[in-house]
Amino acid sequence: DADVTQTPRNRITKTGKRIMLECSQTKGHDRMYWYRQDPGLGLRLIYYSFDVKDINKGEISDGYSVSRQAQAKFSLSLESAIPNQTALYFCATSDFPKTGTYEQYFGPGTRLTVT
Amino acid sequence: RKEVEQDPGPFNVPEGATVAFNCTYSNSASQSFFWYRQDCRKEPKLLMSVYSSGNEDGRFTAQLNRASQYISLLIRDSKLSDSATYLCVVGTQTGANNLFFGTGTRLTVIP
Repeated sequence: DADVTQTPRNRITKTGKRIMLECSQTKGHDRMYWYRQDPGLGLRLIYYSFDVKDINKGEISDGYSVSRQAQAKFSLSLESAIPNQTALYFCATSDFPKTGTYEQYFGPGTRLTVT
Repeated sequence: RKEVEQDPGPFNVPEGATVAFNCTYSNSASQSFFWYRQDCRKEPKLLMSVYSSGNEDGRFTAQLNRASQYISLLIRDSKLSDSATYLCVVGTQTGANNLFFGTGTRLTVIP
């Protein structure tokens, strides 16, 4: 089984709808991240969490919110989806500082289309 | 200015060729450096870390030049299975211990 899972894998929604993307991990990592990837722009950080009580905005948090329900679960919500939120969304985990490495482990991604 | 810049390519090379990718980063305080591989519509996966002394893993060699803030990846004897996008990734000690990603360089190895 995959260590980092995301649901749904694909989603088409309409402008104005609220949508939640979910991420679960079995790696036991404290740190979790949400990124979006757009062609030509690379991955950009939306939100990150160091533990259940520590949640922080990333580079592009406007229009998004998150919830860290448990160490293993980190959800991303689009409160009112708009077409320019159409993108590939990745969840990632990290074991820094326990391991001293910045390496992150990615889920398989959610392809979101807002019409 | 972008944190990490790399040539987007595409690079189209024949099987068996040697190909090199380059990347520059803007923050001199950056501490960790990686090359990730991303197949089409899939998640990025770590290919290799990059150390100041340079490191090699089979056909892949990574180099770091801190003075020039420059990272490279050399792939020898290219295989069809090497076709992918290669992401240059830099770790910087910020509040998030963030990774900053380049936009990726697309490689296609041609039979």
